[in-house]
Amino acid sequence: DQQVKQNSPSLSVQEGRISILNCDYTNSMFDYFLWYKKYPAEGPTFLISISSIKDKNEDGRFTVFLNKSAKHLSLHIVPSQPGDSAVYFCAASVSPGANSKLTFGKGITLSVRP
Amino acid sequence: GAVVSQHPSWVICKSGTSVKIECRSLDFQATTMFWYRQFPKQSLMLMATSNEGSKATYEQGVEKDKFLINHASLTLSTLTVTSAHPEDSSFYICSTSKPWEETQYFGPGTRLLVL
Repeated sequence: DQQVKQNSPSLSVQEGRISILNCDYTNSMFDYFLWYKKYPAEGPTFLISISSIKDKNEDGRFTVFLNKSAKHLSLHIVPSQPGDSAVYFCAASVSPGANSKLTFGKGITLSVRP
Repeated sequence: GAVVSQHPSWVICKSGTSVKIECRSLDFQATTMFWYRQFPKQSLMLMATSNEGSKATYEQGVEKDKFLINHASLTLSTLTVTSAHPEDSSFYICSTSKPWEETQYFGPGTRLLVL
């Protein structure tokens, strides 16, 4: 049972435009959400996170929106750059903290066209 | 700079052999480390939680006798795939967090190919 779902396996965007990556979850106990970026044959790199007490968190070109009632979050990248091309994983945990187990989605492959 | 290192980055072995993968935290102590496995086009699946000085906690469906985890020091956890078979071929990744942070940092991963 996939508790974190990234239903779109891929997304292609023109450079300079906005990329919107979506993520849905089913476990209402999830309280903390993260986005990771991953290049082939490398480990994921942390991008941005959001706690359930917030509905938006912004860091430079990256903004994460959380809709708890819909159990939905999204990552916005604007403007998109070719270097953003990678696989993006949405992850969730029941609490923040160093020892919290993360549940990952399957990832979305983002391609940013020059 | 890198926060977590893994060694080796890739390994090819014959079926039936055992493979040890190391995960190290760099410049900080990690009492807890996580081991994940990723099959192609799939999500990262948590295999086990490695606790320094105590037994690892395995996720449901993960054989503890096949995937031996040792966390003997505050900066090193090892995962040994015993009697590896082709179906164990995967990308193995560890993660941990700095004590004062909430974010988990991942190692670069180890690609295992069992022939």
